[in-house]
Amino acid sequence: GNSVTQMEGPVTLSEEAFLTINCTYTATGYPSLFWYVQYPGEGLQLLLKATKADDKGSNKGFEATYRKETTSFHLEKGSVQVSDSAVYFCALKGSWGKLQFGAGTQVVVTP
Amino acid sequence: EAGVAQSPRYKIIEKRQSVAFWCNPISGHATLYWYQQILGQGPKLLIQFQNNGVVDDSQLPKDRFSAERLKGVDSTLKIQPAKLEDSAVYLCASSERGSTDTQYFGPGTRLTVL
Repeated sequence: GNSVTQMEGPVTLSEEAFLTINCTYTATGYPSLFWYVQYPGEGLQLLLKATKADDKGSNKGFEATYRKETTSFHLEKGSVQVSDSAVYFCALKGSWGKLQFGAGTQVVVTP
Repeated sequence: EAGVAQSPRYKIIEKRQSVAFWCNPISGHATLYWYQQILGQGPKLLIQFQNNGVVDDSQLPKDRFSAERLKGVDSTLKIQPAKLEDSAVYLCASSERGSTDTQYFGPGTRLTVL
């Protein structure tokens, strides 16, 4: 079956540091890939998505590229801010349309 | 545009008691989802409605969980009787048409079963 694996947290960074959160997936066919973010006390928000191989999703300075050859969708940001502190979820949507999430990675950015 | 509303935000009950959660999706959204998010895990889909019909309830523990969306708008998820392992955040989401559309999530209800 489909599955998503992402790096464990917490990831602790200083402001303006470079952030990478690794995400790999297992799926049949050609899934769409997503990153969701959950700020403290709030619901999940869609951060970015990519629907086919080599697509790059981007939003709010975050980027992720759909790599079919490595079955990966790593999230990156060049310079994080304190306000980026949140839990980040990688997810895939297979042919049946069901969203499947990874376990989440907590990111803590310190001033 | 108002987002997905859920209530209550927090609930503490004892095992074997019953509990109900309410969700009001974004206006006009046909599809509604209930997810369970156990601490340290990603959300897991419990049930998906298209208007007032069930599309997918394959992961809903039907011996104790039930959900309805009678008029195709708001929805209620019930647990009866609750077990300790039901402690989790219950998230509601909605999308405009179907599962190919972006899902918008509510803030969730945090359930603690003692």
